[in-house]
Amino acid sequence: QVQLQESGPGLVKPSQTLSLTCTVSGGSISSGDYYWSWIRQPPGKGLEWIGYIYYIGSTYYNPSLNSRVTISLDTSKNQFSLKLSSVTAADTAVYYCARDYLHGGGMDVWGQGTTVTVSS
Amino acid sequence: DIQMTQSPSSLSASVGDRVTITCRASQGITNYLAWYQQKPGKVPKLLIYATSTLQSGVPSRFSGSGSVTDFTLTISSLQPEDVATYYCQKYDSAPRTFGQGTKVEIK
Repeated sequence: QVQLQESGPGLVKPSQTLSLTCTVSGGSISSGDYYWSWIRQPPGKGLEWIGYIYYIGSTYYNPSLNSRVTISLDTSKNQFSLKLSSVTAADTAVYYCARDYLHGGGMDVWGQGTTVTVSS
Repeated sequence: DIQMTQSPSSLSASVGDRVTITCRASQGITNYLAWYQQKPGKVPKLLIYATSTLQSGVPSRFSGSGSVTDFTLTISSLQPEDVATYYCQKYDSAPRTFGQGTKVEIK
């Protein structure tokens, strides 16, 4: 079955850019049936949707993060990536990638999550 | 953007109790509403989509209902393994906003 795995640095300095990659296995990121999403969860807080990308490269971002977020994909590696610029301590969170069914079925497959701490 | 508001923010109930969690959208979202369960320290898990359709493998004691702006997640008979935080999420369009979560504990 499809599995997602996040990877990237666990520690990022303030003002720098957070970069994470989600590797998809057991299925193709080029499937037209899914959006590929990023979600985050600050310590002790709720889930925040960051944005998604479709296999043709179209994206939609959370307006609260829009100016700092870029989501891209690499179909040759079956991966999609998140970049969040100008990070502060408020960006410290567990970051999840997830598969979001285009035709309306919610996010049915999630990665295990990766913790990113913003600190000098 | 549409806001999603859950109530209560937390609840404590006895094993076997019927538990109801409400999610309200600030504008209509037809039936494009999902519920997730997140057990402590674990990854969120899709429970219900399209307001009332159970994801494969989800126990039948979970059910969802509602439409347009008002939605409900019901656990018909609370079990110890249901201790978790539950989130609703709209997916009629982006942004795919989550509710703030409802923490369910055993009394």
